[in-house]
Amino acid sequence: EPEVTQTPSHQVTQMGQEVILRCVPISNHLYFYWYRQILGQKVEFLVSFYNNEISEKSEIFDDQFSVERPDGSNFTLKIRSTKLEDSAMYFCASSEAGGREVEKLFFGSGTQLSVL
Amino acid sequence: LAKTTQPISMDSYEGQEVNITCSHNNIATNDYITWYQQFPSQGPRFIIQGYKTKVTNEVASLFIPADRKSSTLSLPRVSLSDTAVYYCLVGGFSSNTGKLIFGQGTTLQVKP
Repeated sequence: EPEVTQTPSHQVTQMGQEVILRCVPISNHLYFYWYRQILGQKVEFLVSFYNNEISEKSEIFDDQFSVERPDGSNFTLKIRSTKLEDSAMYFCASSEAGGREVEKLFFGSGTQLSVL
Repeated sequence: LAKTTQPISMDSYEGQEVNITCSHNNIATNDYITWYQQFPSQGPRFIIQGYKTKVTNEVASLFIPADRKSSTLSLPRVSLSDTAVYYCLVGGFSSNTGKLIFGQGTTLQVKP
């Protein structure tokens, strides 16, 4: 089965540093997403992206966050100046279509971000 | 998106059938019911989706009564590897941006 791949699996950074989390969505998918999960808490929606622009974003996704599809295969999440509370598992997901029904999202295995 | 309520945790033994029920009293006409599974340190994985009556795939069955105010995920003959968190999500035509709202889910512990 095709899968979403994320790199790195673990990222440790100092508070205030910039980080870029990378994802390779499934090749024929057109819709891309970032979610995050703080340890012991719910999976939270961050942003959805289609046709090179953000479709929807949550209140978590503030000016410190940005997403980009720099080429035909990668999808990145950048956090400009990390804070301690950004420590979480970040999941990338993709789907074939944004759809008129709840789409079947394929999630990657995540990047565990630790901000020290 | 309709609010969902499901048990926080369940225990079972290998080989048993497990049924996890989700309540969604405010489900809208256009809403589908979707279940995801999440293993520790992994992303959620789509299990099954339905609109009404019964849906079955190679992993599970989903039972939806006529009033659609609840649904039951049925896992036949569970094994230790089915230990995971199971999420019930309800959404539909109005939520076409991929914004899934995850609750706390049901933590299923399968014992030998």
